Amino acid sequence: QKEVEQNSGPLSVPEGAIASLNCTYSDRGSQSFFWYRQYSGKSPELIMSIYSNGDKEDGRFTAQLNKASQYVSLLIRDSQPSDSATYLCAVNYGNNQGGKLIFGQGTELSVKP
Amino acid sequence: EPEVTQTPSHQVTQMGQEVILRCVPISNHLYFYWYRQILGQKVEFLVSFYNNEISEKSEIFDDQFSVERPDGSNFTLKIRSTKLEDSAMYFCASSRQFSNQPQHFGDGTRLSIL
Repeated sequence: QKEVEQNSGPLSVPEGAIASLNCTYSDRGSQSFFWYRQYSGKSPELIMSIYSNGDKEDGRFTAQLNKASQYVSLLIRDSQPSDSATYLCAVNYGNNQGGKLIFGQGTELSVKP
Repeated sequence: EPEVTQTPSHQVTQMGQEVILRCVPISNHLYFYWYRQILGQKVEFLVSFYNNEISEKSEIFDDQFSVERPDGSNFTLKIRSTKLEDSAMYFCASSRQFSNQPQHFGDGTRLSIL
């Protein structure tokens, strides 16, 4: 059974702080990794994708991947109240699994003004 | 920016009735997916579709479910005889490849079974 685990939170940070979100996955066959943001009652919105070990930065967001530890993280710098949402980690097992994404249960982030 | 569009946004149906959820994937994407999210729960994979065939399906996707690409733009999910437990948000997604490409999600259809 392929699993993706996240702390459900809520994670509360003050405005301007760094928010750190973590995710672990169970299957070493995982090929690509994604962070989605989901506002209440809305659909998942892609924030970051990462495919190889190391860091990937996009604006205020940095994704980190460590395949040996089966660990993915997302850092949000200069957090804003508008960043308050649930952050979903998703793992893709590629062509052999028909592109299936396995999602974690999400971490709820609250950024306090 | 191109996006995945889904209709209707909300569907209310009596138990036992058939329902069809519609999606228009991003135009240059060839890989299509359906996911569902029961209120308060994880997003769950239902099915993936490529080249007019199902590529992968989950245990949830039983004989009551079917998918179709009836024309060059639409991608549909049919539930033949709905149950109360089918009540959920249903998301359509599309991507350029199965692997190493992100999936982009539509706004979803909220399905309520009475």
